[in-house]
Amino acid sequence: DSGVTQTPKHLITATGQRVTLRCSPRSGDLSVYWYQQSLDQGLQFLIQYYNGEERAKGNILERFSAQQFPDLHSELNLSSLELGDSALYFCASSVGSTGGEKLFFGSGTQLSVL
Amino acid sequence: GENVEQHPSTLSVQEGDSAVIKCTYSDSASNYFPWYKQELGKGPQLIIDIRSNVGEKKDQRIAVTLNKTAKHFSLHITETQPEDSAVYFCAASKTGKLIFGQGTTLQVKP
Repeated sequence: DSGVTQTPKHLITATGQRVTLRCSPRSGDLSVYWYQQSLDQGLQFLIQYYNGEERAKGNILERFSAQQFPDLHSELNLSSLELGDSALYFCASSVGSTGGEKLFFGSGTQLSVL
Repeated sequence: GENVEQHPSTLSVQEGDSAVIKCTYSDSASNYFPWYKQELGKGPQLIIDIRSNVGEKKDQRIAVTLNKTAKHFSLHITETQPEDSAVYFCAASKTGKLIFGQGTTLQVKP
């Protein structure tokens, strides 16, 4: 058990809908990262937050947004969902935000858009 | 930005043999290179990592080597066991975020 908690484990929804994925980092970790894993794209970095502030942005679509709350949990919001958004979404956490951080991953949320 | 290439995409070995997975990275400023193991239905799990000021690191049956000049690093698993079967990812980082390779599916046949 990595100590990173993601909910829900599975999510099935329809095209055009909006969903929210939730992540609680390991105790003491200030950074949260979101990754998308699909069969043909591997693990793609979406966005990073550190202590409530956005720190780095990757290949995140404009339809997606995230935030980190004062209690350090994070939410990833996906809107106007398309079939191609079906993927595993992972959250990871680390103590800090500089280079050389060990990232610990949650078990992921499997999103299926029908 | 950083790009990480990983080879091979699949690897099948007999139990007891060694397995080697290789990665190259593009950004010479990257200074942290972890390896993750992902089992079916689970999130990636850190198994070993190396920093740019070190050339080699070992942890029991697992070792990682880094060649900064050539910008490549490798994972070596000796005496493979069936429970080593999984998908392995290399990654590179110079800031907090990790950029991952495409993954290697390792199958260890009993």
